[in-house]
Amino acid sequence: QKEVEQDPGPLSVPEGAIVSLNCTYSNSAFQYFMWYRQYSRKGPELLMYTYSSGNKEDGRFTAQVDKSSKYISLFIRDSQPSDSATYLCAMKTGSGGGADGLTFGKGTHLIIQP
Amino acid sequence: KAGVTQTPRYLIKTRGQQVTLSCSPISGHRSVSWYQQTPGQGLQFLFEYFSETQRNKGNFPGRFSGRQFSNSRSEMNVSTLELGDSALYLCASTTGGSETQYFGPGTRLLVL
Repeated sequence: QKEVEQDPGPLSVPEGAIVSLNCTYSNSAFQYFMWYRQYSRKGPELLMYTYSSGNKEDGRFTAQVDKSSKYISLFIRDSQPSDSATYLCAMKTGSGGGADGLTFGKGTHLIIQP
Repeated sequence: KAGVTQTPRYLIKTRGQQVTLSCSPISGHRSVSWYQQTPGQGLQFLFEYFSETQRNKGNFPGRFSGRQFSNSRSEMNVSTLELGDSALYLCASTTGGSETQYFGPGTRLLVL
């Protein structure tokens, strides 16, 4: 079993729809959760970062973490064609010195149809 | 503030050769991490450097190595290249006390 599971998609939705992207994880030591967006042939771009269970909102994006279920989500409201990209969830156990690197999901390919 | 920069952006090598990739972190960031991204395995952590010291290492063979300079710039080296080393190599920087890592555009390596 992979530490982080993420449906690769593709996920195709019409413009303006609410998008829901999800990851599950098996390592209960993960404490820090991130969502990255990656356009083709580019580096990942940090969208959201959270370390506590609950919701965090930033503009059209909402990150949700449920540590008891080991499940995280990213919601995109009023989706735009420019949101078409691969979305990667990432997690980390420790902090500061000696901490491990990020563990990523495989990414979900999202297509927003105009 | 300028982002993370990586050079070169593209590289073609043959099996058995070695390669050195360079990363300049965001100004003020002292931690640099390296990742390998392939279609099959996704993004995998290689190692992290902080204040010129390797602080953590992923599960990669010893052919993969790195170093960090006093100005926080980092290099990674892959010796005796194999076809399977073809990948996008990404560098990320952070302040060192933060969990938020900012990625560069990557170096795309093709091994023939």
